[in-house]
Amino acid sequence: EPEVTQTPSHQVTQMGQEVILRCVPISNHLYFYWYRQILGQKVEFLVSFYNNEISEKSEIFDDQFSVERPDGSNFTLKIRSTKLEDSAMYFCASSRTGGNQPQHFGDGTRLSIL
Amino acid sequence: GESVGLHLPTLSVQEGDNSIINCAYSNSASDYFIWYKQESGKGPQFIIDIRSNMDKRQGQRVTVLLNKTVKHLSLQIAATQPGDSAVYFCAENSGGNTGKLIFGQGTTLQVKP
Repeated sequence: EPEVTQTPSHQVTQMGQEVILRCVPISNHLYFYWYRQILGQKVEFLVSFYNNEISEKSEIFDDQFSVERPDGSNFTLKIRSTKLEDSAMYFCASSRTGGNQPQHFGDGTRLSIL
Repeated sequence: GESVGLHLPTLSVQEGDNSIINCAYSNSASDYFIWYKQESGKGPQFIIDIRSNMDKRQGQRVTVLLNKTVKHLSLQIAATQPGDSAVYFCAENSGGNTGKLIFGQGTTLQVKP
């Protein structure tokens, strides 16, 4: 069964450094998403992406965040200057279409900011 | 405002019993709902979904019920097994084309052997 894959599984970064989280969505999916989950809390939406542009972003997704689909298979989340409060699990998801379609999640990247 | 919440943080059931996990949502415009299962160290795993034009949908050992009148969603798991132990989240897509999901707080299901 096709799945969303994310790398690395754990990223440790000094505060103020840039970090790039990588995702390979399911191959025939057209919509891509990033969510985050702070330890013990619910999953929070960050951004949705379709047709090479952001379709919606949350208040969390400020100017320090960016997303990119650099080629036909990868989808990345960049945090330009990390803060302590960016420490969380970051999940990538994809869906075949937008709207009312199930999103399939990867197993996440644990980001630890020191 | 947007809010999807769960009534109980932890549910403990005996193996073989049926489990019912509840969820309340506040946006009456929501037209699509999903239940996810999250095991420790893993991402949310899709279980079952339901559109707002339905009030019940069944899968393998799972049933989702939607009551739009009181904005309530439930997940029923039949013959609960130890492998069902996990955190369960309901999520709501408020109808836009962007696919944004709003997640509830999660309910921990503990299955006792």
